[in-house]
Amino acid sequence: SQTIHQWPATLVQPVGSPLSLECTVEGTSNPNLYWYRQAAGRGLQLLFYSVGIGQISSEVPQNLSASRPQDRQFILSSKKLLLSDSGFYLCAWSVGQGVRYEQYFGPGTRLTVT
Amino acid sequence: AQKITQTQPGMFVQEKEAVTLDCTYDTSDPSYGLFWYKQPSSGEMIFLIYQGSYDQQNATEGRYSLNFQKARKSANLVISASQLGDSAMYFCAMRDSGANNLFFGTGTRLTVIP
Repeated sequence: SQTIHQWPATLVQPVGSPLSLECTVEGTSNPNLYWYRQAAGRGLQLLFYSVGIGQISSEVPQNLSASRPQDRQFILSSKKLLLSDSGFYLCAWSVGQGVRYEQYFGPGTRLTVT
Repeated sequence: AQKITQTQPGMFVQEKEAVTLDCTYDTSDPSYGLFWYKQPSSGEMIFLIYQGSYDQQNATEGRYSLNFQKARKSANLVISASQLGDSAMYFCAMRDSGANNLFFGTGTRLTVIP
């Protein structure tokens, strides 16, 4: 069966510090991968998605970046965090790109920028 | 542009009763998919049920059913025989054929009362 891992689970970082969040998927090949952010009490906002190694699409201009160095690894980074980067970050995967394919989410990383 | 609306910020239901969570959507694409996710306090998004725009019958998955009214552009989630473990945030989401990701509503917080 497929599983998705995210770490760390919780992170407290000062403004201006760098960020690296990692997501890995097991049990599937060539998944589509997604990074979402959820502000407190809000819905999910898509940040990045990837359909293959080295292929990254950005949905929202910001100081975050994403990379996909391996087929089942997706990394979210920032060189300098802002207060507004605080939130709950969720990684997700799916197979296929039609309307039918649901996304499966990881456990999330709760980021607090102080 | 796609749009998902959940007008109920919070709902209460007595244990063992049924509850309906509302979701309306807007898209000009005739081909789309509708999804419901559950987010317990742990934060993980759990896929519950899917309805395709061309599906002739309403989707059902165990105690979950989707009341799909295409003309009204609504996709309400019905949870039968509510359990205490159903207390969570519930998100409606949509993807049309031109999108790579899901668009989420703002969610409804369901509380099951013993």
